Amino acid sequence: QVQLVESGGGVVQPGRSLRLSCAASGFTFSSYGMHWVRQAPGKGLDWVAVISYDGSNKYYADSVKGRFTISRDNSKNTLYLQMNSLRAEDTAVYYCAKDNGYYDSGGNYRGYYYFGMDVWGQGTTVTVSS
Amino acid sequence: QSALTQPPSASGSPGQSVTISCTGTSSDVGGYNSVSWYQQHPGKAPKLMIYDVNKRPSGVPDRFSGSKSGNTASLTVSGLQAEDEADYYCSSYAGNNNLLFGGGTKLTVL
Repeated sequence: QVQLVESGGGVVQPGRSLRLSCAASGFTFSSYGMHWVRQAPGKGLDWVAVISYDGSNKYYADSVKGRFTISRDNSKNTLYLQMNSLRAEDTAVYYCAKDNGYYDSGGNYRGYYYFGMDVWGQGTTVTVSS
Repeated sequence: QSALTQPPSASGSPGQSVTISCTGTSSDVGGYNSVSWYQQHPGKAPKLMIYDVNKRPSGVPDRFSGSKSGNTASLTVSGLQAEDEADYYCSSYAGNNNLLFGGGTKLTVL
């Protein structure tokens, strides 16, 4: 079945780094954009970043721009989030999510922001604390 | 950019209908037909319920419907059932490769 499994979360001191992974299965990973979304304790959802199906385009929320890097390895069906210079306000459950995009009749990918995220992982918890 | 505005709570009795609003600006909700809605039960991952303002993914009951007027999008849940009790979040494209979520609405089935 279609599945996303995050890993790599943990407790880290402010200013340190952490890399999250998201293993995908049950669908053609290399054909879809992928997102990271986070949720601070007791708070709402917060979009973090998106990467195109081939990894050529990457976009970030202003709050993480310059500190976080999204990447993917399509040969391993795995999505990553490298988080540097972590702050207390980065404490959250981090979800990876599959973009609900599609290919049009011309073979162009349509999505990233327009059709939502249709598959989500169970989340991995990141705690930034001294 | 600020999060989209949702009421913190909503409620209804079984069988009734309830509508949750999501208010943005002409730069996000009002400017694009790209509103999505998610359902999240406690301790669980979000689930896509509506995309493209009013489209339902396969498997989502037709009791869930979406609409938009100006800068405000709405999610209506008809024939409320106990399992509909959850948090609901809207999202919208906000231009410049940015995606916004609403603050969330806790739906209580009385």
